[in-house]
Amino acid sequence: QVQLVESGGGVVQPGRSLRLACAASGFSFNRYGMHWVRQAPGKGLEWVAGISYDGSNEYYTDSVKGRFTISRDNSKSTLYLQMNSLRVEDTAVYYCARVLLQWELLTLGADYWGQGTLVTVSS
Amino acid sequence: QSVLTQPPSVSGAPGQRVTISCTGSSSNIGAGYDVHWYQQLPGTVPKLLMYSNRNRPSGVPDRFSGSKSGTSASLAIAGLQAEDEADYYCQSYDSSLSGWVFGGGTKVTVL
Repeated sequence: QVQLVESGGGVVQPGRSLRLACAASGFSFNRYGMHWVRQAPGKGLEWVAGISYDGSNEYYTDSVKGRFTISRDNSKSTLYLQMNSLRVEDTAVYYCARVLLQWELLTLGADYWGQGTLVTVSS
Repeated sequence: QSVLTQPPSVSGAPGQRVTISCTGSSSNIGAGYDVHWYQQLPGTVPKLLMYSNRNRPSGVPDRFSGSKSGTSASLAIAGLQAEDEADYYCQSYDSSLSGWVFGGGTKVTVL
């Protein structure tokens, strides 16, 4: 069965860095686009970044451009989110999510989500 | 301020029908991009409820239906049940932002 397991969250001071990972299993990871979506405490869903199945295309929401980098290692079936210059407003649960259909990235929704990892940015 | 606009809350008695609207613009829904809906039960991970406007993934009851017209989309829940109490989010692609956009979410309460 499809599984997405995030890791790497924690408490970090403003301005510091953190790297999230999402280990995928149960499907051909190298055929699917992937996204990071976050949810601040008590708030709604916010898209963060997406990456194509082969890693050749990356997309970011404006508030994280230049600070966050999405990447993937298809040999390890793992998705990453490198977060630099973290801000208090980046505090959220971060979910990785798989696009519904193979080879697609932007115009479809996500059919599988990880359980999320909490990132808390605080001094 | 979310790019897609949803009502913060809707409510209905058991058995009733409720609808949730999702209003976008000419760079997302109005441009022809599909709308997808997620259900998030309290304390759980979002679940894909409807994809490409009106398609239900396997296992989603046919009480849920979706539609899209112009710059808006709607999710309808017929025969409302207590287990439907959750937050519902619409999502689409925005060509101006080159990324996904979500609605602010709608909390459905079963009276």
